[in-house]
Amino acid sequence: DSGVTQTPKHLITATGQRVTLRCSPRSGDLSVYWYQQSLDQGLQFLIQYYNGEERAKGNILERFSAQQFPDLHSELNLSSLELGDSALYFCASSVGPGGGYEQYFGPGTRLTVT
Amino acid sequence: AQSVSQHNHHVILSEAASLELGCNYSYGGTVNLFWYVQYPGQHLQLLLKYFSGDPLVKGIKGFEAEFIKSKFSFNLRKPSVQWSDTAEYFCAVNAVPGTASKLTFGTGTRLQVTL
Repeated sequence: DSGVTQTPKHLITATGQRVTLRCSPRSGDLSVYWYQQSLDQGLQFLIQYYNGEERAKGNILERFSAQQFPDLHSELNLSSLELGDSALYFCASSVGPGGGYEQYFGPGTRLTVT
Repeated sequence: AQSVSQHNHHVILSEAASLELGCNYSYGGTVNLFWYVQYPGQHLQLLLKYFSGDPLVKGIKGFEAEFIKSKFSFNLRKPSVQWSDTAEYFCAVNAVPGTASKLTFGTGTRLQVTL
């Protein structure tokens, strides 16, 4: 158990819908990262927050957005869902913002868009 | 931008065989390097990491990796695999310096260990 929690574990929804994925980082970690794992794209970085502020953006679609709240939990919002958004979404956390910190991954949320 | 290549997509070994998984990265500057493992149905776990210093790093469960800067490589090794090592292995890199620490992952290598 990494100490990073994600809810829900599984999510099945229809195209065009909107969903929210939630992540709670390890105690003491200020950075939260979101990654998407799909069969065709592999593991891709989406976005990073550090202490409530957006720190880095990766291959995140405009239909997707995220935020980190004062209690440091983060939510990833996916809207106007398409079949291709079906994937495993991982959250990770680390103590600091930069490259010298180990990232701990949560169990992931499996999203299925039908 | 950095990229990571893992050339072995699927490796099948018998128990007690030696393992070496290749990882090459592309980036002109300094990098931090990682190997993560994903057991079936589980989350990514860090096996080992290289930030600086001794290029031969030891991780958990008997794994080690060697950073060869001239070859842009960070290959993962284990002298004798066990059935429980069956998993998917990901090499990852992040660029240094940087105020952000996004990981760029390779496509992964699926290791199957047979009894």
